[in-house]
Amino acid sequence: GENVEQHPSTLSVQEGDSAVIKCTYSDSASNYFPWYKQELGKRPQLIIDIRSNVGEKKDQRIAVTLNKTAKHFSLHITETQPEDSAVYFCAARSNYQLIWGAGTKLIIKP
Amino acid sequence: NAGVMQNPRHLVRRRGQEARLRCSPMKGHSHVYWYRQLPEEGLKFMVYLQKENIIDESGMPKERFSAEFPKEGPSILRIQQVVRGDSAAYFCASSPEGANVLTFGAGSRLTVL
Repeated sequence: GENVEQHPSTLSVQEGDSAVIKCTYSDSASNYFPWYKQELGKRPQLIIDIRSNVGEKKDQRIAVTLNKTAKHFSLHITETQPEDSAVYFCAARSNYQLIWGAGTKLIIKP
Repeated sequence: NAGVMQNPRHLVRRRGQEARLRCSPMKGHSHVYWYRQLPEEGLKFMVYLQKENIIDESGMPKERFSAEFPKEGPSILRIQQVVRGDSAAYFCASSPEGANVLTFGAGSRLTVL
């Protein structure tokens, strides 16, 4: 079945630096790739998504890139701030399901 | 739009009791997903429902767990004869028909004593 692998499991960066989280997927038919942010004790919330007909999408300090040939996609956060500290989940749509990565705990060091 | 509403937010049960978790999807959304999350872990898919239909329950244990999404009213996740291992956060998410974006509820945190 479809599988999504996410790396790293924990990422610690200095405030102001950039953070990159990577995911790979196995189903070549996947065509939708969202990223969710989950703060401690809160619900997951969609922060950005990309569909398979584009290679990159940007929203202020957040960007997502997609390489369909290699079947991987990445989340890029620039100029990190303390409020970026959270767990980030990637997902890939396979049929009617979102297949989730295991999550990356992002720690922003002051 | 009130978003996805889950209740109760916190539920405490003793071993052997029943837990009922409710989820009202966003207005206009007819697809509901239930996920389970243990502390410090990811989202584990349990069941996907549309109105009056269970589409995929492959992530739900065969025993003690059941889900429904009736024509009228919220979706309900029911756990019978709860055990300590059922303690977790249970998230519901909804989406419009045919769409990809999931909107999550605030979750129901079940504690089994």
